[in-house]
Amino acid sequence: AQSVTQLGSHVSVSEGALVLLRCNYSSSVPPYLFWYVQYPNKGLQLLLKYTSAATLVKGINGFEAEFKKSETSFHLTKPSAHMSDAAEYFCAVSIKAAGNKLTFGGGTRVLVKP
Amino acid sequence: DAGVTQSPTHLIKTRGQQVTLRCSPKSGHDTVSWYQQALGQGPQFIFQYYEEEERQRGNFPDRFSGHQFPNYSSELNVNALLLGDSALYLCASSLGPELGSNQPQHFGDGTRLSIL
Repeated sequence: AQSVTQLGSHVSVSEGALVLLRCNYSSSVPPYLFWYVQYPNKGLQLLLKYTSAATLVKGINGFEAEFKKSETSFHLTKPSAHMSDAAEYFCAVSIKAAGNKLTFGGGTRVLVKP
Repeated sequence: DAGVTQSPTHLIKTRGQQVTLRCSPKSGHDTVSWYQQALGQGPQFIFQYYEEEERQRGNFPDRFSGHQFPNYSSELNVNALLLGDSALYLCASSLGPELGSNQPQHFGDGTRLSIL
């Protein structure tokens, strides 16, 4: 079975600083990987997805993530944090045999300081 | 283009009662998945419906059941409610699973269920 681990349940960054959210996955077959963002009292919004094409994936709102098979990682970054980036972020994995059922990590809450 | 809509937004029930949550998928989508998100945790997959049948199921008891209608909308039913069923219930829609597991899922804003 596949699984996802997000290192750090809370991350605090200053406005304008680099945002780095860590995600490691476990899968016995090639995975599809996703990052979602959740704002308070809202559902999940897709930021970006890796589907075995380019290993560096660009998403919305200036976010990007790099798939590293050797490290089983899919870390999310943004060069310059904005106040509007304060939210909870979830990394998720799916595999072909499981249709598009998503397995999520525990989430990382991002606080942006002015 | 309407996204995924869920109703109601909030619900309060007592232990032992039964509840039905509703979901309308994004226009053009035919597959509906349900997730349970407990406070402070990531969503957990409950089950997925496609062509009016349950196609996949997560590790949830039989108290959790569902249905998909010909217009692709879906219901989640939970019987004999327990305090631990308190959570945000998220509905997600996507294109048919035959198109591959790389199809992103689109989420609604959820139904917040509180059990007293």
